[in-house]
Amino acid sequence: AQTVTQSQPEMSVQEAETVTLSCTYDTSESDYYLFWYKQPPSRQMILVIRQEAYKQQNATENRFSVNFQKAAKSFSLKISDSQLGDAAMYFCAYKSRDDKIIFGKGTRLHILP
Amino acid sequence: DVKVTQSSRYLVKRTGEKVFLECVQDMDHENMFWYRQDPGLGLRLIYFSYDVKMKEKGDIPEGYSVSREKKERFSLILESASTNQTSMYLCASSLPGMNTEAFFGQGTRLTVV
Repeated sequence: AQTVTQSQPEMSVQEAETVTLSCTYDTSESDYYLFWYKQPPSRQMILVIRQEAYKQQNATENRFSVNFQKAAKSFSLKISDSQLGDAAMYFCAYKSRDDKIIFGKGTRLHILP
Repeated sequence: DVKVTQSSRYLVKRTGEKVFLECVQDMDHENMFWYRQDPGLGLRLIYFSYDVKMKEKGDIPEGYSVSREKKERFSLILESASTNQTSMYLCASSLPGMNTEAFFGQGTRLTVV
C-alpha cells in the first residue's frame, strides 16, 4: 500500500524568508502524481502545485516550487518570500491509476511577522 | 466558479443517532471522496465513488456507509454515531485521471455527544 509521510508537524518561518516542507512517500508504482495542498485556517483546501513522476523537471508555481527526487521518493515544497497569507496546514498527497488520493499527516506552517 | 458544498458546517448529534452528511458538486465530476480529518492524523479516506452507484472502501470505512444516487451528490452515513466519530469530515470531487486536482468542500465539524 502507498504511504505518504510528512515528518514535520509544525514549522515557522520569518516573513520574506524561504522555507522547505518535507515529504516522503512509498510506492511500488512507476507512474503517479504528487501534489501539495494548502488548508488555510477555517478555509477550504486548495491545490498549490502538482508533479508528474515521469517528469524530471521540478514543478514551479510563482513562489512555490518542488524538489522531486524520484529515486529517493522525496517531494519537498519550497516557499520563497514567505507571506502572512502562506500560514496554513500543508498536505502532501499521492495519486496513481486508481484515482484514490493518499494524504500525509500535514505540516502546520506559521509565518512570523 | 467551481463548487463543492457540504450541507452543514457544524453538527452536534447524540450517540446512537443515524447521521447523514451531504455533499454536492456542480462540476460534473465523476469522482467523489469522503475524508476524515483529525489532528496529528491528517486526512484519511473513508469512501471513494467513481461513478453513480459505484463506491470503494477507503482506509477507515468501519462505521460508515455512503450513497451516490446522482452524479452531483455523495452522502456519508453514520449508521449509529459514536463519540469516536467526532471529527472534521471533508468531501472532495475530481475528474478521473492521475493528474486531476481535487476540489474540496468547506468541511463539516461533527460532534457526537
